[in-house]
Amino acid sequence: EPEVTQTPSHQVTQMGQEVILRCVPISNHLYFYWYRQILGQKVEFLVSFYNNEISEKSEIFDDQFSVERPDGSNFTLKIRSTKLEDSAMYFCASSEEGLASYEQYFGPGTRLTVT
Amino acid sequence: GEDVEQSLFLSVREGDSSVINCTYTDSSSTYLYWYKQEPGAGLQLLTYIFSNMDMKQDQRLTVLLNKKDKHLSLRIADTQTGDSAIYFCAEILSGGSYIPTFGRGTSLIVHP
Repeated sequence: EPEVTQTPSHQVTQMGQEVILRCVPISNHLYFYWYRQILGQKVEFLVSFYNNEISEKSEIFDDQFSVERPDGSNFTLKIRSTKLEDSAMYFCASSEEGLASYEQYFGPGTRLTVT
Repeated sequence: GEDVEQSLFLSVREGDSSVINCTYTDSSSTYLYWYKQEPGAGLQLLTYIFSNMDMKQDQRLTVLLNKKDKHLSLRIADTQTGDSAIYFCAEILSGGSYIPTFGRGTSLIVHP
């Protein structure tokens, strides 16, 4: 069964460093998403991406964040200058249809630890 | 704004039924979901219900929606140790940006 994959599973970085989290969505999906979950808190929407541009973003997704689909398979989330409060689990998801689709497929997540 | 609340933990004995509860604040929800997250895995869509439905049954899973009380529940019949996971409730509102709002997740622990 096709699945969304994410690398790395765990990333440790120092405050102020740039990190890139990588995702490979399901191959025939057109919509891509990033979410995050700070430990003990809710899963929060960050951004959705379609047709090579951002379609929705939340207040969390400020200028420190960017997304890219550098080739036909990868979807990346970049945090330019990490802060301690960026420590969280980051989930990538994809769907055939847009956010109104009832089914988004999630990856296993990347745990980001900022020290 | 919208908010989704769940209790954090539920412990049941194998073979018993589990009921995981969720409350939401916005009455304009169109879709309400239950996701399951097993250790080391992503969120897996278990089931969903449209806001014009009261109940949905899918094998061992029963979803009940009480729109008046803005209460959603997931009942797992004959709970197995393999059901141990975190269960997330989520809603999508109508007429908005269709950004899903998740709860914190309920950790279900099934004892043999």
